[in-house]
Amino acid sequence: GAGVSQSPSNKVTEKGKDVELRCDPISGHTALYWYRQSLGQGLEFLIYFQGNSAPDKSGLPSDRFSAERTGGSVSTLTIQRTQQEDSAVYLCASSSGGRAHNEQFFGPGTRLTVL
Amino acid sequence: AQRVTQPEKLLSVFKGAPVELKCNYSYSGSPELFWYVQYSRQRLQLLLRHISRESIKGFTADLNKGETSFHLKKPFAQEEDSAMYYCALSDTGNQFYFGTGTSLTVIP
Repeated sequence: GAGVSQSPSNKVTEKGKDVELRCDPISGHTALYWYRQSLGQGLEFLIYFQGNSAPDKSGLPSDRFSAERTGGSVSTLTIQRTQQEDSAVYLCASSSGGRAHNEQFFGPGTRLTVL
Repeated sequence: AQRVTQPEKLLSVFKGAPVELKCNYSYSGSPELFWYVQYSRQRLQLLLRHISRESIKGFTADLNKGETSFHLKKPFAQEEDSAMYYCALSDTGNQFYFGTGTSLTVIP
């Protein structure tokens, strides 16, 4: 079956512009995570959605970052007024439930470059 | 606070030699620990998790609460094991913390 998909695969933008990154999780997966992967920094947790519960936004680095998940499926991560330090690979993952030991399935990532 | 530490950014071993990728964690409760792997040009994927007590592709990892470690081991490394390995911890809030990763190269 189809795995997690993300679009675009690459995004180059100018400093100060807004960007939207999309994630399509595996059908039926109720949990969705966003991470940021920066060189030498590992994976940084950004936000977690579980079903219809309020999302855990504790990992968002600033108020320029926001995310939503419509209809419990597709999620969009928005970065407003992008800065050069936002350049990274943004990964989305989904899992079949909210239990931590459930396997996360990762998408291919969106590579964001802010000039 | 850094919850997961992987002290080695790069690790090289010869084929057939034992390999150990170190992971130490900091967490006051009962963590759930995982190893994820990313092969070249592939997606990040789960390798193993401590609650399953399983061996995957010859790899094992034992949770040592006294040393707060979850090292990944394999007795005989293979060339196909070359990849980026991430140790991860999940807290009771379902938030995940990943280490900075170790790039393993197995030399033929």
